Amino acid sequence: GNSVTQMEGPVTLSEEAFLTINCTYTATGYPSLFWYVQYPGEGLQLLLKATKADDKGSNKGFEATYRKETTSFHLEKGSVQVSDSAVYFCALSDGSNYQLIWGAGTKLIIKP
Amino acid sequence: DVKVTQSSRYLVKRTGEKVFLECVQDMDHENMFWYRQDPGLGLRLIYFSYDVKMKEKGDIPEGYSVSREKKERFSLILESASTNQTSMYLCASRDSYTNEKLFFGSGTQLSVL
Repeated sequence: GNSVTQMEGPVTLSEEAFLTINCTYTATGYPSLFWYVQYPGEGLQLLLKATKADDKGSNKGFEATYRKETTSFHLEKGSVQVSDSAVYFCALSDGSNYQLIWGAGTKLIIKP
Repeated sequence: DVKVTQSSRYLVKRTGEKVFLECVQDMDHENMFWYRQDPGLGLRLIYFSYDVKMKEKGDIPEGYSVSREKKERFSLILESASTNQTSMYLCASRDSYTNEKLFFGSGTQLSVL
């Protein structure tokens, strides 16, 4: 079945460091891929998405490229801020039903 | 701003109690979801409703039921709360036509003692 695997956290970085959070997936067909972010005390919100191979999603300085050859959708940001501290979830939708398949989430801690 | 509102941020209940978690959305969305969020497990779908009075079981429906009498409101019911239902509960809604972006409430942290 479909699945999403994320790197385990927490990931702790200093402000202005480069961020990568790894996400790989297993799916049949051509899923859509998503990154959601959950700030402390809040619900999840969509950060970015990509719907086909080689698409790059971007938002708020974050980017992720849909790599079909490596079945990956890694999240990157060139210079993180303290305000980026949150839990990040990778997810996929294969379009066949209502379900999103979720990764376990990666907690990101940015120190000033 | 679009909004998904969950009735309580924190809730403490006793084992065996019947518990109601309420969720209201103001976006006229057809689809609504209840998830539970546990550390290291991500989000697990409890129930999904694709329209008024329509529901489908998700991955972990045991011990839960739902009600969707009006389009804007989706209720999660714990018939007899147990300690293993202590968790963060998240409600979400989605426009069935765009079928992708979920809008989440801020969650209810339920503790069952």
